[in-house]
Amino acid sequence: QKEVEQNSGPLSVPEGAIASLNCTYSDRGSQSFFWYRQYSGKSPELIMSIYSNGDKEDGRFTAQLNKASQYVSLLIRDSQPSDSATYLCAVNNAGNMLTFGGGTRLMVKP
Amino acid sequence: DAGVIQSPRHEVTEMGQEVTLRCKPISGHNSLFWYRQTMMRGLELLIYFNNNVPIDDSGMPEDRFSAKMPNASFSTLKIQPSEPRDSAVYFCASTYGQNYGYTFGSGTRLTVV
Repeated sequence: QKEVEQNSGPLSVPEGAIASLNCTYSDRGSQSFFWYRQYSGKSPELIMSIYSNGDKEDGRFTAQLNKASQYVSLLIRDSQPSDSATYLCAVNNAGNMLTFGGGTRLMVKP
Repeated sequence: DAGVIQSPRHEVTEMGQEVTLRCKPISGHNSLFWYRQTMMRGLELLIYFNNNVPIDDSGMPEDRFSAKMPNASFSTLKIQPSEPRDSAVYFCASTYGQNYGYTFGSGTRLTVV
């Protein structure tokens, strides 16, 4: 069974700090990786995608991928209270299907 | 682009009643997905359509659930008869390729009493 694992949290960080969210996956054939942000009562929103080993930066967000170790991470620099949400890791296994992790709840304290 | 449109936003129904959830994917997207989300089980894939054809319905919990996609711009998820354990948020999502991720609709919050 293809799995995507995340620590459920909550991960609590002070405002202005770096938040580090991690995800591991079981299928070595996975090619595409995504991070979604979900605010309470809202739908998941795509914030980052990464396909190659290494880092990909977009504003305060950096996605990191290590296929050999089968993990993907999301760093949020200068965390803001508005970043408080659940972050879902998703991995493409076959066709257009994504497998989602259970999500990590992030709390940024002012 | 109006995004993925779901209706209704909220549905409260009595046990045993039929419930129909509706979804309009983004124009041009060829894959559509129905998910259910609960606190206990997270996001669960119910069924996946590609070019209007059901590809994987292994997540459909039981025969009470059925889904159709009669054309590229419309899909329904039906529960008949509904039960209290079906209470959840149901999301529809669409995409046009494996490298683009999904766009989710706003969801339908279903409460079965």
